[in-house]
Amino acid sequence: GAVVSQHPSRVICKSGTSVKIECRSLDFQATTMFWYRQFPKQSLMLMATSNEGSKATYEQGVEKDKFLINHASLTLSTLTVTSAHPEDSSFYICSARSGTGVTGELFFGEGSRLTVL
Amino acid sequence: DAKTTQPPSMDCAEGRAANLPCNHSTISGNEYVYWYRQIHSQGPQYIIHGLKNNETNEMASLIITEDRKSSTLILPHATLRDTAVYYCIVRVSSNTGKLIFGQGTTLQVKP
Repeated sequence: GAVVSQHPSRVICKSGTSVKIECRSLDFQATTMFWYRQFPKQSLMLMATSNEGSKATYEQGVEKDKFLINHASLTLSTLTVTSAHPEDSSFYICSARSGTGVTGELFFGEGSRLTVL
Repeated sequence: DAKTTQPPSMDCAEGRAANLPCNHSTISGNEYVYWYRQIHSQGPQYIIHGLKNNETNEMASLIITEDRKSSTLILPHATLRDTAVYYCIVRVSSNTGKLIFGQGTTLQVKP
């Protein structure tokens, strides 16, 4: 199946710093990628839809200035958590759609665990 | 997108079939049923999807009722590695492709 890779898989940072997470589709081009966050023992929550070459679409309640998303190419989207605080500690997961139409499958990255001290 | 209802947890004996139910009584005619699973601390993994007909692949079978208000994911011979949270999701055909996750079913396969 298609492969989506995230980097880093784990990151620890100090409060107030910014952290960038990369999401790459390794063997297909993805015009659309999605970013989720997941707190312990909870389900995935969609944060935003990342469209190549245009601004991301954020879900209600997600601060766009806090979570900067860039989708500069068909294989790379980045999520930057700006001025991170301990409450931003979470598991961040990206996904990308392979193919077009409603039946295009969504493939997920391995996730990136952010810990803010 | 239509909401889904799944039991929060289920147990299954290793080697037996695991049958995971999902209710989607408000599903529309253009919505597909998708199943994903998430093993602890990993990204979700695609399992199978369908519209009306039953589907089967190397991982599982998907049985959709005739009125499409419910479905069942069947893992024919569960192994310990199938222990995971299983998510049933419905998605409209005109959607951008995003998936909205519910709480899912935690399947525990026991030896």
